[in-house]
Amino acid sequence: GAVVSQHPSRVICKSGTSVKIECRSLDFQATTMFWYRQFPKQSLMLMATSNEGSKATYEQGVEKDKFLINHASLTLSTLTVTSAHPEDSSFYICSAKGGNTEAFFGQGTRLTVV
Amino acid sequence: GENVEQHPSTLSVQEGDSAVIKCTYSDSASNYFPWYKQELGKRPQLIIDIRSNVGEKKDQRIAVTLNKTAKHFSLHITETQPEDSAVYFCAAKPLAQKLVFGQGTRLTINP
Repeated sequence: GAVVSQHPSRVICKSGTSVKIECRSLDFQATTMFWYRQFPKQSLMLMATSNEGSKATYEQGVEKDKFLINHASLTLSTLTVTSAHPEDSSFYICSAKGGNTEAFFGQGTRLTVV
Repeated sequence: GENVEQHPSTLSVQEGDSAVIKCTYSDSASNYFPWYKQELGKRPQLIIDIRSNVGEKKDQRIAVTLNKTAKHFSLHITETQPEDSAVYFCAAKPLAQKLVFGQGTRLTINP
């Protein structure tokens, strides 16, 4: 399958700071990228969908000003968690989709806010 | 919108036995049904998928069945091995829309 790389895999930050997570499609052009959040022992919850060159579409209940998504190129999307708080600690996973292909997941980022 | 229900939430089977996980979906327009395996702290890995024009698909020890009329699909793992232990997620996707995941099933294979 296609390769999607997510970075960093783990990050610890202080409360009130911002954290940026990158999601890259390494061997295909990702026209659409999805960002999920997964709490322990729970399912993947879609946060937002981003299409290259346009604004992200956020799911109900997800604050767009807190979770900034940029999809400036066909191979890179970033999620920035702004003013992070302990309740934002979670496993964040991106997936990327190109053309008629199905979506492939990145490795995930475990964010811990202390 | 689409709603996916997955059962059971936990499943424990003896090594060598079969495991079955079931999902139901609500949107009759859904036409793509993937199954993912997720090990602790890792990304979900696509293990098998089925489209709505097919009733069954098999890949070695893994098979998926789809009943469009009843709107349910199932994952079957035969001759289970300890490395099959993981959390499994089903998902459904209407055309050109987002994937909706089930709640997950924690499968434990007992040696």
